[in-house]
Amino acid sequence: DQQVKQNSPSLSVQEGRISILNCDYTNSMFDYFLWYKKYPAEGPTFLISISSIKDKNEDGRFTVFLNKSAKHLSLHIVPSQPGDSAVYFCAASTGGYNKLIFGAGTRLAVHP
Amino acid sequence: KAGVTQTPRYLIKTRGQQVTLSCSPISGHRSVSWYQQTPGQGLQFLFEYFSETQRNKGNFPGRFSGRQFSNSRSEMNVSTLELGDSALYLCASSLTAQETQYFGPGTRLLVL
Repeated sequence: DQQVKQNSPSLSVQEGRISILNCDYTNSMFDYFLWYKKYPAEGPTFLISISSIKDKNEDGRFTVFLNKSAKHLSLHIVPSQPGDSAVYFCAASTGGYNKLIFGAGTRLAVHP
Repeated sequence: KAGVTQTPRYLIKTRGQQVTLSCSPISGHRSVSWYQQTPGQGLQFLFEYFSETQRNKGNFPGRFSGRQFSNSRSEMNVSTLELGDSALYLCASSLTAQETQYFGPGTRLLVL
């Protein structure tokens, strides 16, 4: 039973454009959501998080949106850069960050 | 500040053997979590330790165990290795349960 789903295994975007990565969840008890970026042969790198009491959080080029009624969150990267090319994981937890449930990941390719 | 370190980075074992992986968290971090990443199952939570006590456990067989020492360093052990245990094992640390987890580079285990 996949509680966190990233339905798009890959996404290709032109440099300078917006990248939108999507994530759906089924467990209404989740109260923290995070996005991690992962390069090959490295551990995931934390990007941005959002609490369930908010619907938007921004950090530089990265913005996360949370729609609780739809159980959906998205990560917007504007503008996209070639260095953003990586696998992006959505993760969720209940009552804190320590037991993260991850989605399957979306491979983002930003091309010139 | 040094990041999360994991040793060894690569390991080859044969079926039936056991293996111990080590994780040194970021200085001052008291919570250590372990995750397994495989192509088929993605990133899955194994267990979490805080102040030498296991607080959360994922859905893995008893062959997977761990411990945390008084200096917050953690080890995980897998006994009676199976081919399906071949994976990237990731360790993550955080200050407390309500803080963001930061991941190490992982230990890639290959079971032959």
